[in-house]
Amino acid sequence: DGGITQSPKYLFRKEGQNVTLSCEQNLNHDAMYWYRQDPGQGLRLIYYSQIVNDFQKGDIAEGYSVSREKKESFPLTVTSAQKNPTAFYLCAVQSRVEGNQPQHFGDGTRLSIL
Amino acid sequence: AQSVAQPEDQVNVAEGNPLTVKCTYSVSGNPYLFWYVQYPNRGLQFLLKYITGDNLVKGSYGFEAEFNKSQTSFHLKKPSALVSDSALYFCAVRLFNTNAGKSTFGDGTTLTVKP
Repeated sequence: DGGITQSPKYLFRKEGQNVTLSCEQNLNHDAMYWYRQDPGQGLRLIYYSQIVNDFQKGDIAEGYSVSREKKESFPLTVTSAQKNPTAFYLCAVQSRVEGNQPQHFGDGTRLSIL
Repeated sequence: AQSVAQPEDQVNVAEGNPLTVKCTYSVSGNPYLFWYVQYPNRGLQFLLKYITGDNLVKGSYGFEAEFNKSQTSFHLKKPSALVSDSALYFCAVRLFNTNAGKSTFGDGTTLTVKP
């Protein structure tokens, strides 16, 4: 989707290393989400944020951390505690937490272990 | 709690034939329902949504979906498939005005349209 930028497109992690995935939006949307996509498992919610300086754990938050210091940015850190980080990571935004608007997605970051 | 089931991992159709991708849902309340499409190494793109009203919803690229409350289904349809429709399709449900706007996604259905 235009207006949502994820970087890098590909990322490699060494054993014991933390890595940070970037998600930036210029849509001025309130809510931002991080999903993990594994083959055949659909999308699983890692963390979400409804407003600046506030975020909540999703269904699979262990081994991940986030921050929301600015409305347009919601970086995800994959820590060394995440033992199986290889996946496709998707960031999404939504205009308001309530309401019926769809989510808009970035083009993802593919993370692999070296 | 809310959940979505896409009972078919794969759907194969011939170009020009009608296609259906199935979705059933479970929510304790009124749902918002969505269909998204994903091409390889890309994010999901929104196709259409059901909020309320007419049970037949029309969306992008000639797709439509039929909401059936009694069967708790929201099947995606297209009268005439194109090879370019080949992609991964996701159904999603969100509970009306609650749950922090969180959506639950199905596991996806791979659609292959053969020439």
